[in-house]
Amino acid sequence: GAVVSQHPSWVICKSGTSVKIECRSLDFQATTMFWYRQFPKQSLMLMATSNEGSKATYEQGVEKDKFLINHASLTLSTLTVTSAHPEDSSFYICSANEDEDSVQPQHFGDGTRLSIL
Amino acid sequence: LAKTTQPISMDSYEGQEVNITCSHNNIATNDYITWYQQFPSQGPRFIIQGYKTKVTNEVASLFIPADRKSSTLSLPRVSLSDTAVYYCLIYNFNKFYFGSGTKLNVKP
Repeated sequence: GAVVSQHPSWVICKSGTSVKIECRSLDFQATTMFWYRQFPKQSLMLMATSNEGSKATYEQGVEKDKFLINHASLTLSTLTVTSAHPEDSSFYICSANEDEDSVQPQHFGDGTRLSIL
Repeated sequence: LAKTTQPISMDSYEGQEVNITCSHNNIATNDYITWYQQFPSQGPRFIIQGYKTKVTNEVASLFIPADRKSSTLSLPRVSLSDTAVYYCLIYNFNKFYFGSGTKLNVKP
């Protein structure tokens, strides 16, 4: 079945550092990928839609200059948390599906745990 | 976008059948109903999806009444490894908005 891979799975860094998270579709191409954030004991919150070859679409309240999204190819989207601070510590998850013109379900990566000291 | 309402938590014992109901009163004609399972520190895993009536796969069944304003996920004979959060989602055009989910706790 379709697989979505995220890297790294866990990152710890100092406040003020920028951190890049990769999301790859391993066996299919995806012109659209989605990024979510999840705080402990809470549900997933959609942050943005990543569009291959064009700008990402951000959900209301998500700072586009803080969370930079680049969808450089049909199998790779990256989320960069710029100048990260402790309040950015969270679980970041991406998703994609094989056929965006159908109702195929999304496949999710296993997430990236980001801890800012 | 249709909002979903689920019980916050449920308890069950190993070997029992578990039914989790989700309300989605303002579901649109083109919307589909999808259920995901999430373990701690992992991404959600697809369980089942349906549009109307009943859908069954190797791990679960999904019951959807004619008015489609609710749906019920049925897990037969749960085991301890089914302890997880279960999310009901309504979607079309690929965008998913997660509700609060149901924390299922399976006891021995």
